[in-house]
Amino acid sequence: EPEVTQTPSHQVTQMGQEVILRCVPISNHLYFYWYRQILGQKVEFLVSFYNNEISEKSEIFDDQFSVERPDGSNFTLKIRSTKLEDSAMYFCASSVRQITNTEAFFGQGTRLTVV
Amino acid sequence: GESVGLHLPTLSVQEGDNSIINCAYSNSASDYFIWYKQESGKGPQFIIDIRSNMDKRQGQRVTVLLNKTVKHLSLQIAATQPGDSAVYFCAFSYRGSSASKIIFGSGTRLSIRP
Repeated sequence: EPEVTQTPSHQVTQMGQEVILRCVPISNHLYFYWYRQILGQKVEFLVSFYNNEISEKSEIFDDQFSVERPDGSNFTLKIRSTKLEDSAMYFCASSVRQITNTEAFFGQGTRLTVV
Repeated sequence: GESVGLHLPTLSVQEGDNSIINCAYSNSASDYFIWYKQESGKGPQFIIDIRSNMDKRQGQRVTVLLNKTVKHLSLQIAATQPGDSAVYFCAFSYRGSSASKIIFGSGTRLSIRP
């Protein structure tokens, strides 16, 4: 069964450092998303991406965040200068159509720990 | 406004019994509702969805009920099994000006008693 894969599974970084979280969406999917989940809290929307541009972003997704689809398979989330409060699970998701019309598939997540 | 809330943060059910997880939402414009299951250390997994033009939809051992009048969504799991232990999130669609997103609720932890 096709799946969304994320690497690394766990990333530890020092405050102020840049991190890049990587995702390989399902191959025939066209819509891509990043969500995050602070420990014990709900899953929060960060950004959606379609046709090589951001479709929508949340208030959380400030200038420190960026997304990119550098090639035909990867979808990355970059945090330019990490803060302690960026520590969370980051989930990538993809869907064949807009997430409001169809099932979205989530990856296993990357646990980001900022120290 | 955008919010999805849950009536109970935890639910303990006897194995074999039916489970009912409830959720309230506030955005009247939402037209797509989803239940996700999240097991420990994993990402959310789609369970079942329902559109606003329906009030009930059934899947394998699961049923979702939608009451738009009171903005209430529920997930029923029949004959609950140990493998059903997880956190369950309701979510709903929100259509922005140019795209769309899913808003998640805060989750209900379902635990199964043997």
